[in-house]
Amino acid sequence: SYELTQPPSVSVSPGQTASITCSGDKLGDKYAGWYQQKPGQSPVVVIYQDNKRPSGIPERFSGSKYGNTATLTISGTQAMDEADYYCQAWDSNTAVFGGGTKLTVL
Amino acid sequence: QVQLQESGPGLVKPSETLSLTCTVSSASLRNYYWSWIRQSPGKGLEWVGYIYFTGNVNYNPSLKSRVTISVDTSKNQFSLKLNSLTAADTALYYCARHHERIRAFDIWGPGTLVTVSS
Repeated sequence: SYELTQPPSVSVSPGQTASITCSGDKLGDKYAGWYQQKPGQSPVVVIYQDNKRPSGIPERFSGSKYGNTATLTISGTQAMDEADYYCQAWDSNTAVFGGGTKLTVL
Repeated sequence: QVQLQESGPGLVKPSETLSLTCTVSSASLRNYYWSWIRQSPGKGLEWVGYIYFTGNVNYNPSLKSRVTISVDTSKNQFSLKLNSLTAADTALYYCARHHERIRAFDIWGPGTLVTVSS
C-alpha cells in the first residue's frame, strides 16, 4: 500500500521558519495537500495542489515540492501555529495521509 | 456556509455493525465526493472511503471487506456502515468533502467518537 513519510516532530522558535517534509514514492506525479489539526479540533486544509493556499489561510503558510518530497513551510511561525500537520495525496483514487508531524513552537 | 454533522451511536459492541450518518447543510451533494475519515485516539488520520453524489464508491483497501458507504440525496445525507467491529475500530469518525479538481478535503465535520466495547 502507498505510504507518505513525515518526521514525527519539528521544533521552531517564534518568528523563525518551520519546514515539514512529506515523502512518498512517485509523489512528484501526484498532488500533495497539507492539513493543520489543533487539539480537539477537526483538520483544516492549509495547502492543496502542492502550493495553493485556500482563502482565509495566512500567507505565512506555503507549499512546495521537489522530486518525491513535498514541503510545508511556515514563515514567521507564531505560537498559534503549534499543531499537528498531516500531508495527504491520492494513489489510485485512494486517499493516503502521512503519519503526522507535531510542530512545537518554543 | 457549508456544514457537515456526523451522527450515530457512541458505543458499539464488538462483532456488531457501526452505522453513522453525515448530514450536509447549506450545500448540495452534487459534484462533490463525500468521505469518511477516522482517527484513533492519539493517532493519525485514516481514510475510510468516499461516495460520489451519483453513488459511485471507493474504499480503503484495508477496510474494503467491512465497509459500505451509501448516499441519500433526498435527505442530503451520506452514511457509513462498518461491520465485524473490534476495539481497533474505536476512533473519532469524521465526514469530509472534496472536489475532483481541488483534490483536498476542504470541509470537515466536527467528528463523532465511536467506542467499541462490550
